[in-house]
Amino acid sequence: EVQLVESGGGLVQPGGSLRLSCAASGFTFRNYWMSWVRQAPGKGLQWVANIKQDGSVKKSVDAVKGRFTISRDNAKNSLYLQMNSLRVEDTAVYFCASLGHWGLSGISYFESWGQGTLVTVSS
Amino acid sequence: DIQMTQSPSSLSASVGDRVTITCRASQSISTYLNWYQQKPGRAPKVLIYAASSLQSGVPSRFSGSGSGTDFTLTISSLQLEDFAIYYCQQSYITPITFGQGTRLEIK
Repeated sequence: EVQLVESGGGLVQPGGSLRLSCAASGFTFRNYWMSWVRQAPGKGLQWVANIKQDGSVKKSVDAVKGRFTISRDNAKNSLYLQMNSLRVEDTAVYFCASLGHWGLSGISYFESWGQGTLVTVSS
Repeated sequence: DIQMTQSPSSLSASVGDRVTITCRASQSISTYLNWYQQKPGRAPKVLIYAASSLQSGVPSRFSGSGSGTDFTLTISSLQLEDFAIYYCQQSYITPITFGQGTRLEIK
């Protein structure tokens, strides 16, 4: 059974830092692109960042560029999100997700999701 | 960025109804379109990928269609467990973007 378990969320003051982790099991982690997606309270979904299987390619939404860094450790089957210079508007549940791909088309989708970890940025 | 617009934003329906949700992209995305279902307090779950491919384990009452800029998610006969929020999402180009969601409520 595929499992993604996030941890590391909590309350932090504006300008502070937090590191989220996602422990993966039940699938061959090193073969998958991985992502972070967030959801502000009562709001919709927002993609945050992607990372390629070997960590060589990283992409992120403009709102977090220069502040958030996605990384992975394939030996530990783990995905990370280092969040610096946090802002009130970063308050959200952060989900990690694996990216499935359909054939050779390049069409990707968020295949499996963790339960999420809540990050609250407030003074 | 590609904007994804869903309609309606909310919808009331009864068990057994046929329901259609639409999603429009601000530019052509071929069939790089996925649909998700989210229930309160839970993570989203993929229903349809590549516009019309049914994810394994998803009931066949769910179907998707469309290409280019206009897409639809259809539930052929609503069941009680289908009342949830539905999101479309494009994976044509980064930033990956989602629609604002459609809340499906019991009439």
